[in-house]
Amino acid sequence: TQLLEQSPQFLSIQEGENLTVYCNSSSVFSSLQWYRQEPGEGPVLLVTVVTGGEVKKLKRLTFQFGDARKDSSLHITAAQPGDTGLYLCAGARNNDMRFGAGTRLTVKP
Amino acid sequence: GAVVSQHPSRVICKSGTSVKIECRSLDFQATTMFWYRQFPKKSLMLMATSNEGSKATYEQGVEKDKFLINHASLTLSTLTVTSAHPEDSSFYICSAAPPSGALYEQYFGPGTRLTVT
Repeated sequence: TQLLEQSPQFLSIQEGENLTVYCNSSSVFSSLQWYRQEPGEGPVLLVTVVTGGEVKKLKRLTFQFGDARKDSSLHITAAQPGDTGLYLCAGARNNDMRFGAGTRLTVKP
Repeated sequence: GAVVSQHPSRVICKSGTSVKIECRSLDFQATTMFWYRQFPKKSLMLMATSNEGSKATYEQGVEKDKFLINHASLTLSTLTVTSAHPEDSSFYICSAAPPSGALYEQYFGPGTRLTVT
């Protein structure tokens, strides 16, 4: 059983569309990270959220940490083909960090 | 962000041989490094946590005698896959946590693609 559930697993959209990816758990995390991974490469850290209800923006990406620190969302505005990749969330708690299964995003030109 | 390197990026070895993968933190000292395995189109599976100067902590189901981890310095951890078999073929990724005490900010290496023939 995955500690962190990500949805959707796969998402294929057209350039210019908006999308939201979710990361949910029944556990409380001290922090949550979002990573993006391209094929054949290691994950790249996008953002870390620590405070319940926190919202962080990174250009067209908006990250939100749930009030109870059990879930998070990633919203991409006006997606571009360069956004294509595997988006992974990872939660840290009790000196341990676990990854979700990832959302594979494809943005078609 | 911090830089973590891995070497080699790709390796092909014959069944029964051993292969060593290096993970280096280039611009910070990492007391803790992590080794992950990733199957095609799947997420990362934590194999072990490597602590400088002490034995690695392995996740359940990971054979410590098969996947030997050495963290001899604050900038280098190595993973040796011993007596490799085709089922060990995978993408191995390491990460390092800066010594800020914040476990959550791990920086990943580019990965090593291991193919066992």
